[in-house]
Amino acid sequence: GNSVTQMEGPVTLSEEAFLTINCTYTATGYPSLFWYVQYPGEGLQLLLKATKADDKGSNKGFEATYRKETTSFHLEKGSVQVSDSAVYFCALSDQGTGNQFYFGTGTSLTVIP
Amino acid sequence: GAGVSQSPSNKVTEKGKDVELRCDPISGHTALYWYRQSLGQGLEFLIYFQGNSAPDKSGLPSDRFSAERTGGSVSTLTIQRTQQEDSAVYLCASSWTGNQPQHFGDGTRLSIL
Repeated sequence: GNSVTQMEGPVTLSEEAFLTINCTYTATGYPSLFWYVQYPGEGLQLLLKATKADDKGSNKGFEATYRKETTSFHLEKGSVQVSDSAVYFCALSDQGTGNQFYFGTGTSLTVIP
Repeated sequence: GAGVSQSPSNKVTEKGKDVELRCDPISGHTALYWYRQSLGQGLEFLIYFQGNSAPDKSGLPSDRFSAERTGGSVSTLTIQRTQQEDSAVYLCASSWTGNQPQHFGDGTRLSIL
């Protein structure tokens, strides 16, 4: 079946530190992969996506590369800011399973000045 | 509208009562999803609509939960005979079609006393 496994949080970093949030997936078909972000008190919003192997999604300084060989989609940012404090969710969608989305459990990130 | 709208934003009710949650998706979006987010948990998929039909109801946790969508637009999620474990934030999302990035509403925070 399909599933997403995310690194557990919470993660606390100092401003300007390097961020990696690991995400691995299991899929029966050829999924699209997504990272969503939920800022405090707000709804989820799409951060970036990749639809096929070796694609790199990027937005707001965040990047993630769709690695089929390692079934991973790790989120990275070179220099985090206090405003990046949020909960990050990795997700996949697989047309082979009726377009259901599968979300990870979320990773809480706190960036301290 | 400009985004996915959910109502009410907060609902407090007594155990055993029925509740109805509403989702108004982005105009033109054919796919609509309901999720449940419990404290400290990830997103739990409940149900997915493509148009007015629900090809995947596998996530509904019990027969007390039901959902419908009319006119390919507004959807309602109904919980009958609510229990305390139903307390959570219920999120609705829509997309142009399945497998496309989802746009989330701000959710309905449901508290069962």
